[in-house]
Amino acid sequence: GDSVTQMEGPVTLSEEAFLTINCTYTATGYPSLFWYVQYPGEGLQLLLKATKADDKGSNKGFEATYRKETTSFHLEKGSVQVSDSAVYFCALSDTGNQFYFGTGTSLTVIP
Amino acid sequence: EPEVTQTPSHQVTQMGQEVILRCVPISNHLYFYWYRQILGQKVEFLVSFYNNEISEKSEIFDDQFSVERPDGSNFTLKIRSTKLEDSAMYFCASDSEGSSTDTQYFGPGTRLTVL
Repeated sequence: GDSVTQMEGPVTLSEEAFLTINCTYTATGYPSLFWYVQYPGEGLQLLLKATKADDKGSNKGFEATYRKETTSFHLEKGSVQVSDSAVYFCALSDTGNQFYFGTGTSLTVIP
Repeated sequence: EPEVTQTPSHQVTQMGQEVILRCVPISNHLYFYWYRQILGQKVEFLVSFYNNEISEKSEIFDDQFSVERPDGSNFTLKIRSTKLEDSAMYFCASDSEGSSTDTQYFGPGTRLTVL
């Protein structure tokens, strides 16, 4: 069945460091892929998405490319800020309309 | 910007009690969902709801669970007789198209603690 495997956390980085959070997926169809972010005390907010192979989603300096050959959707940011501290969730949506989520990766950025 | 809201933010209950978790989806959305996240585990799909009926449900969504849209704005999840293992964060979500490419918009969650 469909599933998402996400890099274990927590991740701690210094401000302006490069961020990668790995995400791989298993799907029976042609899924859409998403990254959601959860700031403390808030709900899951869409960060970016890609709906077909080779699409790149981007938002707020974050990027992720839908790689069908490696079944991956790794999240990257060139220079993180303290305000990026949050929990990041990789998710997919396949032929149905339910989402499959990874376990979430907690990121802390220190000044 | 429109958002999904949930109440209460935290609910504490005794085992065997009934709880109702409430959600107000985004007003022009037609598809509604409940998910849960047990501490340290994945966010798991429970149920989807469209046109006043369940369209999909997971194995977790057994006879103890029910959903309802009692009026034009609220969407509720009821757990009839709570168990310790129901302790989790429950997220409501909604979207406008119900397709695999559509973004689901999530509420902030209700943390349910069953004692």
